[in-house]
Amino acid sequence: SQELEQSPQSLIVQEGKNLTINCTSSKTLYGLYWYKQKYGEGLIFLMMLQKGGEEKSHEKITAKLDEKKQQSSLHITASQPSHAGTYLCGADKLGANNLFFGTGTRLTVIP
Amino acid sequence: DAGVIQSPRHEVTEMGQEVTLRCKPISGHDYLFWYRQTMMRGLELLIYFNNNVPIDDSGMPEDRFSAKMPNASFSTLKIQPSEPRDSAVYFCASSAGSYYGYTFGSGTRLTVV
Repeated sequence: SQELEQSPQSLIVQEGKNLTINCTSSKTLYGLYWYKQKYGEGLIFLMMLQKGGEEKSHEKITAKLDEKKQQSSLHITASQPSHAGTYLCGADKLGANNLFFGTGTRLTVIP
Repeated sequence: DAGVIQSPRHEVTEMGQEVTLRCKPISGHDYLFWYRQTMMRGLELLIYFNNNVPIDDSGMPEDRFSAKMPNASFSTLKIQPSEPRDSAVYFCASSAGSYYGYTFGSGTRLTVV
């Protein structure tokens, strides 16, 4: 969707390194969702952020939503090969229960 | 819960044939969504339903595409006639409302030759 910009488009990191993926919207969002997709498979839900300034963590992955609810980041600490895949940010707007997506960030982790 | 169930997982068909993709949402989820994923266009929302009623079908590419939800536990996406450019992975997702998030099925990989 042109409404959600993800950066970078692809990322190659050495195992053990930290990395950050960004997702930006020009409009205020209701909810921001992060998914992971392995090649040829479905979308795995990672985290959902709905409050400005909210931050959530699960294992080595931390997601943040800015106060204006227009920008989110996904941070992976000490990356592992199991983190490899495409990370997608999705969002919906207040009053609209439909989810639209950014273009994705393809992550490769080199052992 | 078995999650969102899609069938078939893979479909190969000849151009001009009718294709029907099926989806069973999670029980209790009032919203059902159909998405298409391609390398060129990413994940696109085609149509979504609320309580079995189509709410927004603005993403449906052409009249060749149609979707139905005859009851709360079943939906179909039909393409007739199919064309090679319809080749993509089609995902179904369901939700109890945006506050609760969205759950995706494993997808149907459609190849039209």
